[in-house]
Amino acid sequence: KQEVTQIPAALSVPEGENLVLNCSFTDSAIYNLQWFRQDPGKGLTSLLLIQSSQREQTSGRLNASLDKSSGRSTLYIAASQPGDSATYLCAVTGAGTALIFGKGTTLSVSS
Amino acid sequence: DGGITQSPKYLFRKEGQNVTLSCEQNLNHDAMYWYRQDPGQGLRLIYYSQIVNDFQKGDIAEGYSVSREKKESFPLTVTSAQKNPTAFYLCASKEQGGGTEAFFGQGTRLTVV
Repeated sequence: KQEVTQIPAALSVPEGENLVLNCSFTDSAIYNLQWFRQDPGKGLTSLLLIQSSQREQTSGRLNASLDKSSGRSTLYIAASQPGDSATYLCAVTGAGTALIFGKGTTLSVSS
Repeated sequence: DGGITQSPKYLFRKEGQNVTLSCEQNLNHDAMYWYRQDPGQGLRLIYYSQIVNDFQKGDIAEGYSVSREKKESFPLTVTSAQKNPTAFYLCASKEQGGGTEAFFGQGTRLTVV
């Protein structure tokens, strides 16, 4: 059964710092991996989608990488801002088509 | 605007009562999903549907029921058999196929009173 783990569970950084969030999964037979952002009490906002055949995707200050063979993905946030404070979730889609989620990393960026 | 609409935003349920959460999408997506989110638990799959008039149980389906009579609608009923229904419920949709992007609604917070 696919399991998704996110480390660290929480992270606090000063504004301007570059940071990396980690996501690992146990079964490499995935179609894609998606990174989401969740603000308190809100739904999920899709940030980046990486297909299994891709190595990375970029959107603005965000860069996500995927190493399917080792079961790892990273989300790199450049020049962090207080507005980046949120919970970041990764999810993989496998043969069952439903997304399987990690428990998330809660990021706090102080000004 | 295209998207997923969940209603209501807040819902209160009395003991022994069934309640229904609404999820509507105008993205023309075939697949729709219901997840439950509890603090520290992440998102857990309740039910999903890949096509109209068909749906499958997820990891925590007990005490819940769904229907998929229309492509754009996937309501979730929380029955009295669900002993701990207080949680944040999220609906999602995506195009059919494994490689497509999923989109989420804004969620419904259900509280037992």
